[in-house]
Amino acid sequence: GESVGLHLPTLSVQEGDNSIINCAYSNSASDYFIWYKQESGKGPQFIIDIRSNMDKRQGQRVTVLLNKTVKHLSLQIAATQPGDSAVYFCAERDTDKLIFGTGTRLQVFP
Amino acid sequence: GAGVSQTPSNKVTEKGKYVELRCDPISGHTALYWYRQSLGQGPEFLIYFQGTGAADDSGLPNDRFFAVRPEGSVSTLKIQRTERGDSAVYLCASSSRQGIHNEQFFGPGTRLTVL
Repeated sequence: GESVGLHLPTLSVQEGDNSIINCAYSNSASDYFIWYKQESGKGPQFIIDIRSNMDKRQGQRVTVLLNKTVKHLSLQIAATQPGDSAVYFCAERDTDKLIFGTGTRLQVFP
Repeated sequence: GAGVSQTPSNKVTEKGKYVELRCDPISGHTALYWYRQSLGQGPEFLIYFQGTGAADDSGLPNDRFFAVRPEGSVSTLKIQRTERGDSAVYLCASSSRQGIHNEQFFGPGTRLTVL
């Protein structure tokens, strides 16, 4: 809901700049990772995913990087737009359920 | 097409009362998940259904929480003797087992407030 993210780390970027959101995951055996975007009052929305046998995957304006050595994921958003403002979560798959990390609030200012 | 829907969108109840939260998954999706999201946190897994049966209920916090999916479609999350700590947004997601990555599609959630 709209109160999600009140106590979350915040990244503020200017419209048009690139954004990088970072995430650490816990299980070195995890084989699949997803980034979700959550806007106020809505459920998480799938952005991009990556399997553990890859270290980079690109989508439309988004790139996910996976560093298995240090169990780190990042989400890069190119040419950030006001509509990108939301809370972003990484998630790792544990059998059939998702384990979500701590979210990051992205604020885009003109 | 229609996404995952959840009703009610908001539920206010008093401590000790019983509540039911409903989830309508995407048509044809055989897998259904319930998560709970507390203020400032990411969603936490509660229970997963494959068809009518609960394949994994390891996330249910205690025996006051129960969920059913009798016909393999709509699911109801039931909470007995609600406590103030149960206040959260309850999210439902569904996925098709046919997908390689089994992407989970989330509903908008039900915000539960226990007074």
